[in-house]
Amino acid sequence: DAMVIQNPRYQVTQFGKPVTLSCSQTLNHNVMYWYQQKSSQAPKLLFHYYDKDFNNEADTPDNFQSRRPNTSFCFLDIRSPGLGDAAMYLCATSRDWFRQQRADTQYFGPGTRLTVL
Amino acid sequence: GIQVEQSPPDLILQEGANSTLRCNFSDSVNNLQWFHQNPWGQLINLFYIPSGTKQNGRLSATTVATERYSLLYISSSQTTDSGVYFCAVPLQQGGSEKLVFGKGTKLTVNP
Repeated sequence: DAMVIQNPRYQVTQFGKPVTLSCSQTLNHNVMYWYQQKSSQAPKLLFHYYDKDFNNEADTPDNFQSRRPNTSFCFLDIRSPGLGDAAMYLCATSRDWFRQQRADTQYFGPGTRLTVL
Repeated sequence: GIQVEQSPPDLILQEGANSTLRCNFSDSVNNLQWFHQNPWGQLINLFYIPSGTKQNGRLSATTVATERYSLLYISSSQTTDSGVYFCAVPLQQGGSEKLVFGKGTKLTVNP
């Protein structure tokens, strides 16, 4: 089945120790997104890739970086995690809106729950 | 920017009961999505519904775009329906879209 996969599902890191979360997709979608979701809140978009073009949200901290080496994979790097970065991180994909000529469904992975000690 | 409001924020039901969740949005949209987030955090697509009515088993959704609201109906609720239900509308940015989420309705279905 075509899907969005996130690894690991649970990640524990220490304060200030860099961590990388990964996302892969078999949907062949050209748009990939990273969301942060804190407890009892809605998901908040951090950034997204349109093909290789990176689009950062204005309020995303510099501590968060992303890489997309190819269509299938996207990584979220947190350079120096703080206690406030503990959250669920969700990856999502969608098809190109221009090609579809309409807004398209976003498909979400199962998420990675990050704990910062 | 567009505002998305959901009601009620919390809902507790007995198994077998029916419920209606509401989503209001402040501007015209060309799409609306309903998601169910299960207790493990997975966001599951329920409906992609810019207008009209769709049904999928015990769930159905209606969007009245001209009046800027959408409703999610859950009939004969089951304990597995528990979780948070989000509606989200897209905000187009170039060739992709940003989803603007409501704050969600937390549903608890008791046996």
